[in-house]
Amino acid sequence: KAGVTQTPRYLIKTRGQQVTLSCSPISGHRSVSWYQQTPGQGLQFLFEYFSETQRNKGNFPGRFSGRQFSNSRSEMNVSTLELGDSALYLCASSVQGSRGEKLFFGSGTQLSVL
Amino acid sequence: KQEVTQIPAALSVPEGENLVLNCSFTDSAIYNLQWFRQDPGKGLTSLLLIQSSQREQTSGRLNASLDKSSGRSTLYIAASQPGDSATYLCAGGKGATNKLIFGTGTLLAVQP
Repeated sequence: KAGVTQTPRYLIKTRGQQVTLSCSPISGHRSVSWYQQTPGQGLQFLFEYFSETQRNKGNFPGRFSGRQFSNSRSEMNVSTLELGDSALYLCASSVQGSRGEKLFFGSGTQLSVL
Repeated sequence: KQEVTQIPAALSVPEGENLVLNCSFTDSAIYNLQWFRQDPGKGLTSLLLIQSSQREQTSGRLNASLDKSSGRSTLYIAASQPGDSATYLCAGGKGATNKLIFGTGTLLAVQP
């Protein structure tokens, strides 16, 4: 069974641009979560989607948004990029997104904002 | 305020040693604990998941325990190997979904 796939692996953007990251969950998984990892703040929860609906959102500005498609694939978008958005963005999937369920992570997208 | 903390932040040991990584959490709403391993520039690999009704889990040379009353979890690695070198993260489950609150991580180096 293929794991969680994130594309692209690396991205370089400049301030003010926008970016879209993609995540394909494990087959049969309907919940997709996104996390941001930086050296200063560590891993922080962005949002979680289940059946094309956002169920949970972390404490990030509205420039960070996401969506989920009917095949459970998910995208996250960051508009008006800032230098501080440089980070490793990780996607995780699980079957139902239920309390206590195990998460499976992708390899991440490394975003650099210049 | 850091809800989940890990001690030590970094650890270097010679190959073959047994070691313990610590994770503590202040939020009583955290109901389970998951340990992950992260290699440089890579994603997270799940090692062990301890549910709120359990006290420990074992997988090979790894053993993790959870004490909710004291807000602590430990990851025990037996007979460490250079291939165990990585950052180890603990994460507490919170809320109605599987949202995780991550700790600060322990960078482990096992010297051959």
